Amino acid sequence: DVKVTQSSRYLVKRTGEKVFLECVQDMDHENMFWYRQDPGLGLRLIYFSYDVKMKEKGDIPEGYSVSREKKERFSLILESASTNQTSMYLCASTTPTSGGADTQYFGPGTRLTVL
Amino acid sequence: AQKVTQAQTEISVVEKEDVTLDCVYETRDTTYYLFWYKQPPSGELVFLIRRNSFDEQNEISGRYSWNFQKSTSSFNFTITASQVVDSAVYFCALSGDGGATNKLIFGTGTLLAVQP
Repeated sequence: DVKVTQSSRYLVKRTGEKVFLECVQDMDHENMFWYRQDPGLGLRLIYFSYDVKMKEKGDIPEGYSVSREKKERFSLILESASTNQTSMYLCASTTPTSGGADTQYFGPGTRLTVL
Repeated sequence: AQKVTQAQTEISVVEKEDVTLDCVYETRDTTYYLFWYKQPPSGELVFLIRRNSFDEQNEISGRYSWNFQKSTSSFNFTITASQVVDSAVYFCALSGDGGATNKLIFGTGTLLAVQP
């Protein structure tokens, strides 16, 4: 069965702290994604990775960085957390197919509050 | 540019009513893919359906059905005889033929509340 896990369901941090959000998938997927979800805005792509050590910016990368040292793990890093980064963060993974877009499978999400 | 519009922010129905969630998309790609996801209160997005642009056949899965119409750029989702367990946020999403990367463009979601 498909499984994407995220390290925390709820997280509370202080402004200026460095924050790590971890995502692990057990499906041997090449592609992994980080989204943030805000009311009225839907899901917006922060970063994605299509291979180990490879990454590309999504639509809203400012204030974030990522790390992918192993295929199964994709980390989102907030170098200096700010209150406007309070949000729900969702990780997803998929395998590219020759036929085009494959289904993305999502983790349970991390609700981050920055005070 | 690609865009997905879900004009219905919130819908409230009484159990056993039928309900249709609207999705309108914009894309210049000739090959593209459309998705519906369900997000229950637990937070995890659950995949419901994937449809490619060359397959306009409607699909039915139990109480769920999808109506894909390229002429109106719509991919609407109908729940027949709704149940309280259907209460969730539903997202429509679009992806082009992105090759090695399959980025999804999401709509803003529709919150469906099914009252007992």
